[in-house]
Amino acid sequence: DAGVTQSPTHLIKTRGQQVTLRCSPKSGHDTVSWYQQALGQEPQFIFQYYEEEERQRGNFPDRFSGHQFPNYSSELNVNALLLGDSALYLCASEERGASGNTIYFGEGSWLTVV
Amino acid sequence: DAKTTQPTSMDCAEGRAANLPCNHSTISGNEYVYWYRQIHSQGPQYIIHGLKNNETNEMASLIITEDRKSSTLILPHATLRDTAVYYCIVRVGAYNYGQNFVFGPGTRLSVLP
Repeated sequence: DAGVTQSPTHLIKTRGQQVTLRCSPKSGHDTVSWYQQALGQEPQFIFQYYEEEERQRGNFPDRFSGHQFPNYSSELNVNALLLGDSALYLCASEERGASGNTIYFGEGSWLTVV
Repeated sequence: DAKTTQPTSMDCAEGRAANLPCNHSTISGNEYVYWYRQIHSQGPQYIIHGLKNNETNEMASLIITEDRKSSTLILPHATLRDTAVYYCIVRVGAYNYGQNFVFGPGTRLSVLP
């Protein structure tokens, strides 16, 4: 069973450009969350998708948007990139269970904005 | 803000048990305690979680105090590969979609040869 997979693993963009990051959750996981982790900092929650809807959102501007597809995969889009958007972007998928949901993270997508 | 507090850093000798404490004095009755670790430049790795009972799996043991205000993650025989940042997080979530994770700075564990 493949874990949470993210693509691309690394990319470089120029200020003002737009980027799309992709995530495939673990098989059967229907909830996907995205986090941003700046270098040397802890991950910060961006938003969560469940049943193709954004259910929760962290303190991020509207430049950050997302989508969840019927197969539960997800995309994170960032418009009008700023230098400060350079970070590791993490996707997490959730397995629901009676003993507490288990959340698994992907290895992330490293975004560098120049 | 994170609902947990952890030591900034800890050292442990290779082969010895590593005991990582976490305080979560404001934990609610329906919040679980989760532990993750992150090795440099990789995604956080799930270790273990629990509600009120002690839990053990192939990676670690989780000891939660009776009042649930603190917990300890135990790595029974630390190796150099256990050097990482360890995050303790409390979160609601069973069955239905749950809250997001709020990460604190975690504990930087260094396993020394």
